[in-house]
Amino acid sequence: NAGVTQTPKFRVLKTGQSMTLLCAQDMNHEYMYWYRQDPGMGLRLIHYSVGEGTTAKGEVPDGYNVSRLKKQNFLLGLESAAPSQTSVYFCASSTRFKAGGSTDTQYFGPGTRLTVL
Amino acid sequence: GENVEQHPSTLSVQEGDSAVIKCTYSDSASNYFPWYKQELGKRPQLIIDIRSNVGEKKDQRIAVTLNKTAKHFSLHITETQPEDSAVYFCAAYPSNTGNQFYFGTGTSLTVIP
Repeated sequence: NAGVTQTPKFRVLKTGQSMTLLCAQDMNHEYMYWYRQDPGMGLRLIHYSVGEGTTAKGEVPDGYNVSRLKKQNFLLGLESAAPSQTSVYFCASSTRFKAGGSTDTQYFGPGTRLTVL
Repeated sequence: GENVEQHPSTLSVQEGDSAVIKCTYSDSASNYFPWYKQELGKRPQLIIDIRSNVGEKKDQRIAVTLNKTAKHFSLHITETQPEDSAVYFCAAYPSNTGNQFYFGTGTSLTVIP
């Protein structure tokens, strides 16, 4: 049981290049999330998904796209990278709490450190 | 949407002393409040959580309290140890507004041996 995994761990891009970050979870979780973490700003939600085939925008979605074609995978794409997207990206997943419309523990992946030159 | 504020942003304590981190939230529909610990270069990891039907929860040296009326919750660490040094994040989960977690900006805790 690997939990939440992310690939790659590190990446350096030039401005204008594109890339895709992959998140995979083996806990059969319905919900998956992409966050970015910048110094002094905590974790900010980029996009999230409440199930296979569904996605929604978070707090900072501009410049990113996502897809959830399979329940266990959540992809984050940067079509044209900019220096402002230099950050550490975390994927997370959680399951729906069975009662009360709440959620259960959110598990994080190890992160991807992205630098855009 | 929900707004979570966290204080202080940095905290230094002597080993063995207690540390308290406070968070406030704005959405009365929030019903789940996790706390995460993030060591340098590592992923955030859940250390304790509390749901809105509970006022306090303890796990060894760590406790969380929730005041729904005042919309604030706090993390208490007793008998601090150097390995408690990390960044701590609080979060709130409103049950009725789209399945998102809202995070505080983090508290950098340093325990001085």
